[in-house]
Amino acid sequence: DIQMTQSPASLSASLGETVTIECLASEDIYSNLAWYQQKPGKSPQLLIYDASSLQDGVPSRFSGSESGTQYSLEINSLQSEDAATYFCQQHHDYPTFGAGTKLELK
Amino acid sequence: QVTLKESGPGILQPSQTLSLTCTFSGFSLSTYGMGVGWIRQPSGKGLEWLANIWWDDDKYYNPSLKNRLTISKDTSNNQAFLKITNVDTADTATYYCARGSAFDYWGQGVMVTVSS
Repeated sequence: DIQMTQSPASLSASLGETVTIECLASEDIYSNLAWYQQKPGKSPQLLIYDASSLQDGVPSRFSGSESGTQYSLEINSLQSEDAATYFCQQHHDYPTFGAGTKLELK
Repeated sequence: QVTLKESGPGILQPSQTLSLTCTFSGFSLSTYGMGVGWIRQPSGKGLEWLANIWWDDDKYYNPSLKNRLTISKDTSNNQAFLKITNVDTADTATYYCARGSAFDYWGQGVMVTVSS
């Protein structure tokens, strides 16, 4: 099975800053990578699919990129509503998720 | 408008079989390329994919749970189902159904507690 190593586990940032969350796949997943945002008590919401495609309705301050088996989620100009936990997920093989990154706003 | 909603027993005892239903609207599981997956999340923990079923009745299971899982669908009534046999306390979680495999729409989740 394909392992997704997500980092950092948590981070704290200020309003207006830019943050990056990373996921390293244990093998090539051919851009079959999605990013989700989950707020407490809510279902995950799809942000990015195919590594870099923005889901409809998601603000353009969210972006995804890849380099080899390393995938990144960047959030620009942090807003208060971005405080959440973020997960990556590959679906090249049977789906597996990263462990999550809890983003706190200072 | 795509919506999904899970339903389940709420609480069950160890060794019982968990039966979950996902009732959806806004798409059809008879449409080419459509699929529904089940994902669970223990309280305060991460996400674990369980199974997927596709428009052509292809089914895929998490290898670590495969022997205990059965996924099925009722296309006419826009429902998907998941059964988990021989549950124990480790199966206590919120269970979600979601569309696709890059899951673009999710249900609100249903909490399931396994307790004696």
